[in-house]
Amino acid sequence: DAKTTQPTSMDCAEGRAANLPCNHSTISGNEYVYWYRQIHSQGPQYIIHGLKNNETNEMASLIITEDRKSSTLILPHATLRDTAVYYCIVRVAQFTGTASKLTFGTGTRLQVTL
Amino acid sequence: EAQVTQNPRYLITVTGKKLTVTCSQNMNHEYMSWYRQDPGLGLRQIYYSMNVEVTDKGDVPEGYKVSRKEKRNFPLILESPSPNQTSLYFCASSPASGTRAYNEQFFGPGTRLTVL
Repeated sequence: DAKTTQPTSMDCAEGRAANLPCNHSTISGNEYVYWYRQIHSQGPQYIIHGLKNNETNEMASLIITEDRKSSTLILPHATLRDTAVYYCIVRVAQFTGTASKLTFGTGTRLQVTL
Repeated sequence: EAQVTQNPRYLITVTGKKLTVTCSQNMNHEYMSWYRQDPGLGLRQIYYSMNVEVTDKGDVPEGYKVSRKEKRNFPLILESPSPNQTSLYFCASSPASGTRAYNEQFFGPGTRLTVL
């Protein structure tokens, strides 16, 4: 799986958009970008994923650059409950054997403040 | 409510005393997995199961056992716990199927284990 690079930490004011960047310059053509988050020692939570098109769901939007070397997770109106560590993961689509595991890096610690 | 449950949530035990951490999911997922999370080491996979009666080792299987007799349950067994197994454990499940790309994993709330 391709390696990802994320900032260690970010701050965001409540109600504002939180834009979390992720670099994955060695991504392969068959690898997807996934985002998970972990709120203080709770189980990680899936947010969104994408291949090359921008994606949006009820939680967030995912913007992937045309060359697919980087992406941005956008929380449109951050709340205090969005304070968490956000993990960007790049992995193949196949879900067989050891390809099933999720490998989390250090992630970005997002602090949402009043 | 669709969920993955783990029990117990917290456990303090002593070296060598066998224990089982249960994991159950109500989403009819084929895939289940156990991870441990340690500071500075991230999330590491212990064992996984692609379906009933099919289990395989992850990255750190030593000292652990699992079984998958039913689709919904995937218990983690520590036959003789040691202090280096003190960790935060997560069970996860997924509606995995072969090469399907959309394979989000649903995690349980975690079990914090301390082995003295």
